[in-house]
Amino acid sequence: QVQLQESGPGLVKSSETLSLTCAVSGGSVRSGSYYWTWIRQPPGKGLEWIAYIYYKGITNYNPSLKSRVAISVDTSQNQFSLKLSSVTAADTAVYYCARGDSGGGDFQHWGQGTLVTVSS
Amino acid sequence: SYVLTQPPSVSVAPGKTARITCEGDNIGSKSVHWYQQKPGQAPVLVIYYDTDRPSGIPERLSGSNSGNTATLTISRVEAGDAADFYCQVWVSSSSDHPVFGGGTKLTVL
Repeated sequence: QVQLQESGPGLVKSSETLSLTCAVSGGSVRSGSYYWTWIRQPPGKGLEWIAYIYYKGITNYNPSLKSRVAISVDTSQNQFSLKLSSVTAADTAVYYCARGDSGGGDFQHWGQGTLVTVSS
Repeated sequence: SYVLTQPPSVSVAPGKTARITCEGDNIGSKSVHWYQQKPGQAPVLVIYYDTDRPSGIPERLSGSNSGNTATLTISRVEAGDAADFYCQVWVSSSSDHPVFGGGTKLTVL
């Protein structure tokens, strides 16, 4: 059974860089069948796709965040990571990592989520 | 950009049927996935490919998709069904990416 687990600081200062890692177990990030994805949810709001990394390092970013976001994968550690620069209070959210199926685009596996608060 | 529109809230009495809609331009041509999210928890996939249920999801939950509307139907609603529900599709534009609806809060009266 695939499991994903987010880790990283729960508090980030405004204008700094948010860094999160998603450890994957029960499956390999090398697999070409999945989109390794970051999704966030501001308090009381809906889900917002941030970025994904795909087969052989192909990446795609939400245009609204593209100038500030970077996603990468570490195959040796079987994990993938997110960096979001120049954060503001609007970036306060629960950040989820998830595995998207490249066939239908559904997300069957999610991490538990981690709350990141941006402080001034 | 592609937009999915859901009603903010749906209320239903126990034992009745709840229907949650997801509207999008020609959504019937896309595969729609539905997620249930309870407070403090990660979303859980409950319907994929419009109508399929992952293992462990009760048959009371079903999906349909045609034209400009996809629908999640929950029959014989129970108190434990109360949650937020999100629809999601995969959009192919300048680059492929997922899009989520705004979410619907299901209240069991």
